[in-house]
Amino acid sequence: AAGVIQSPRHLIKEKRETATLKCYPIPRHDTVYWYQQGPGQDPQFLISFYEKMQSDKGSIPDRFSAQQFSDYHSELNMSSLELGDSALYFCASSLRAASYEQYFGPGTRLTVT
Amino acid sequence: RKEVEQDPGPFNVPEGATVAFNCTYSNSASQSFFWYRQDCRKEPKLLMSVYSSGNEDGRFTAQLNRASQYISLLIRDSKLSDSATYLCVVNSRTFGNEKLTFGTGTRLTIIP
Repeated sequence: AAGVIQSPRHLIKEKRETATLKCYPIPRHDTVYWYQQGPGQDPQFLISFYEKMQSDKGSIPDRFSAQQFSDYHSELNMSSLELGDSALYFCASSLRAASYEQYFGPGTRLTVT
Repeated sequence: RKEVEQDPGPFNVPEGATVAFNCTYSNSASQSFFWYRQDCRKEPKLLMSVYSSGNEDGRFTAQLNRASQYISLLIRDSKLSDSATYLCVVNSRTFGNEKLTFGTGTRLTIIP
């Protein structure tokens, strides 16, 4: 079965640079979520989109923005990167009409140097 | 106090044993409950949803107690491949929107 696809899998950036992470949800899933997981921490919810509209916002810094496009893929844009932004970034997708079960992609490991 | 609390462990359990994890949540309006497992540096994978009536999937049994606001996971006849971090996850729905809140996870190591 098709899973959530994320790209790139690994990304190295310098401080103050910009990064864009991409997520392709499971086909027919209508909701996309972004999470940040620091070393030794549990995943922290950043933001979600339902049918291309932002639906909920968590602990997302103002330096970050995200959107969902007409083909349902989503991008997380991160600017003015800081060392503390180094983390695993997961995208998850779900079908709202179903049981709200979220399925995670393999993640993008971002390292800021 | 965290919204979802778990004993971080580690739990070191011999192969074949039974192990149980508990988790408590503070938001009484929480609506959906899940157990995920996460292997080191990998994505969380849905293990099972947790229903009020309790549910079983092979060697895994999940229970929900809404009155006491806790969720449990029981693993029977544990295998080496069960070694992972188990995350208790709660879905809170507000105004039609919903988000998952994760516990900090319980680290399980199955010993041969």
